[in-house]
Amino acid sequence: DGGITQSPKYLFRKEGQNVTLSCEQNLNHDAMYWYRQDPGQGLRLIYYSQIVNDFQKGDIAEGYSVSREKKESFPLTVTSAQKNPTAFYLCASSIGTGSEAFFGQGTRLTVV
Amino acid sequence: GENVEQHPSTLSVQEGDSAVIKCTYSDSASNYFPWYKQELGKRPQLIIDIRSNVGEKKDQRIAVTLNKTAKHFSLHITETQPEDSAVYFCAASLLMTTDSWGKLQFGAGTQVVVTP
Repeated sequence: DGGITQSPKYLFRKEGQNVTLSCEQNLNHDAMYWYRQDPGQGLRLIYYSQIVNDFQKGDIAEGYSVSREKKESFPLTVTSAQKNPTAFYLCASSIGTGSEAFFGQGTRLTVV
Repeated sequence: GENVEQHPSTLSVQEGDSAVIKCTYSDSASNYFPWYKQELGKRPQLIIDIRSNVGEKKDQRIAVTLNKTAKHFSLHITETQPEDSAVYFCAASLLMTTDSWGKLQFGAGTQVVVTP
């Protein structure tokens, strides 16, 4: 079953802790993206990567970090420096620039 | 960098009427403009897209128009049905530039409500 998978679906974090959200795809896509979705604010780009071992900051990268060691995987770490991390996080992938992006089911992160 | 603005933020239409959502983009290097639909509790899914070498594209009840000179593009839904109720996002993708190639930038979304 091909697709893009995010895990976990729900995640709870204590203040001051780092947490890593997983994103895996078996679509052989080069490009991968992380978005944050808050009510009324659409999809805001956190980080994106066009090729392995390379990634770029999006509009709201502060307090987040990523890695792209494998083509299939693009994990997002929400660090304690992120002031308001409670949100819905969506990962996406595409063949490359100018092609359809496929989204994962999302991870809802709650800071408790 | 690219900035995509989307209007309106909410849109209520009567079943059978048409709905129009408009987006503007800032970077003339952008060449790919997709539209995504996100139903409640689900992931966004592509419904239609357009590239900068065409001005209009249709797929059944939905169509997208692009005005490169004015840097805006619009989504048109005709004969709306209750199942069209969702949040719609426009997006723009940049060509390779020095520092932001491949970026897929979304608008803030439009909540469409179709009432029977």
